[in-house]
Amino acid sequence: DIQMTQSPSSLSASVGDRVTITCQASQDIRNYLNWYQHKPGRAPKLLIYDASILEAGVPSRFSGSGSGTHFIFSISSLQPEDSATYYCQQYENLPLTFGGGTKVEIK
Amino acid sequence: QVQLQESGPGLVKPSQTLSLTCSVSGGSISSGYYYWSWIRQPAGMGLEWIGRIFTSGETNYNPSLRSRVSISGDTSKNQLSLRLTSVTAADTALYYCSRGRHYCTGGVCSAAFDSWGQGTLVTVSS
Repeated sequence: DIQMTQSPSSLSASVGDRVTITCQASQDIRNYLNWYQHKPGRAPKLLIYDASILEAGVPSRFSGSGSGTHFIFSISSLQPEDSATYYCQQYENLPLTFGGGTKVEIK
Repeated sequence: QVQLQESGPGLVKPSQTLSLTCSVSGGSISSGYYYWSWIRQPAGMGLEWIGRIFTSGETNYNPSLRSRVSISGDTSKNQLSLRLTSVTAADTALYYCSRGRHYCTGGVCSAAFDSWGQGTLVTVSS
């Protein structure tokens, strides 16, 4: 299985801050990586696919980059509604696997 | 916009079979370029992909569950089903169904879970 390691596991930041999350794959996954936002009691939401492409309707403050084994997810200006857990997910190989998640809290 | 809704027993006894249904509205499970997955999340833990079914009926399962899991689709009801046999407390989790879109062109592929249900909690306990 391809292991996806996210860091940090949690962070606390202020409204307006830039937030960065990293995702490391245990082997080369090209750009076969997605990012999701998950709020408690809600359905997870696709934000970024193919490592860097913004899903339709997702605010432009969200962005992704990277390829191979190292990926970055950013929120350029944190908003109160961005409080959630964020997951990366690879689709290079089966089984499809997710990172452990990063919980983002608002100070 | 497609909507997915999971349903099933919230409590299952150890060694018994967990059966869940995912009702899909606003789109057909027979549509091309999609597959349909089950994903679960134990309390306080991350997401685990269980398996998927393509519109062709082809299935793939997580090797960690392959001997106990089956996923099927009922096009007449536009529903998906999950069966997990011989459950233990380790199978206690929030279970999600999800639609995955996928396509490949020129040897390059794209795949993502673009729609999810809100999940249903299943507890394994006697």
